[in-house]
Amino acid sequence: GQNIDQPTEMTATEGAIVQINCTYQTSGFNGLFWYQQHAGEAPTFLSYNVLDGLEEKGRFSSFLSRSKGYSYLLLKELQMKDSASYLCAVRDASGNTPLVFGKGTRLSVIA
Amino acid sequence: EPEVTQTPSHQVTQMGQEVILRCVPISNHLYFYWYRQILGQKVEFLVSFYNNEISEKSEIFDDQFSVERPDGSNFTLKIRSTKLEDSAMYFCASREQGRSYNEQFFGPGTRLTVL
Repeated sequence: GQNIDQPTEMTATEGAIVQINCTYQTSGFNGLFWYQQHAGEAPTFLSYNVLDGLEEKGRFSSFLSRSKGYSYLLLKELQMKDSASYLCAVRDASGNTPLVFGKGTRLSVIA
Repeated sequence: EPEVTQTPSHQVTQMGQEVILRCVPISNHLYFYWYRQILGQKVEFLVSFYNNEISEKSEIFDDQFSVERPDGSNFTLKIRSTKLEDSAMYFCASREQGRSYNEQFFGPGTRLTVL
């Protein structure tokens, strides 16, 4: 079966750093995605990891360890607009394979 | 920047009625998807479509559902006889062939409410 776990909610302070963890157990693996979703809106792509290690993109970084079935999304210099749900999603095979999403982590950034 | 568009943004219907949700994927994309998200729950895959046929479908995508690409631009999801539990946000997504990271671009969604 497919299982993707992430914390339900997190709270962090404006200007701080927050790390959102994701663990997965899937039948195969062909990439892990992080999406941001503001309430009532579509998911928007943040990052993609298929090899082990850290991918950095501005204030956002994502890390993957395939052997541990583990990823995290790191958000630096938090801003109020970063308050959103962060969705971890896995492709379990190559080709036209859909994404399997976790339930998302709702991040609240407070002043 | 090109984007996926969906119409309508909101659809209210009576139980048992048919609805058609429309999507216009990004023009050079070749892979298309429908996902749904029931309020407060995770995004769930419904169906993927490539080369004018269904590639994969989930358990949710039963005989009540169908997809079509009636012309070169539109991609539709039809629910034949809606049920209360079909109330959800429906997202269309598309993907370009050959991109190294295979990102799926999501449309803004259609909020379907079945009464």
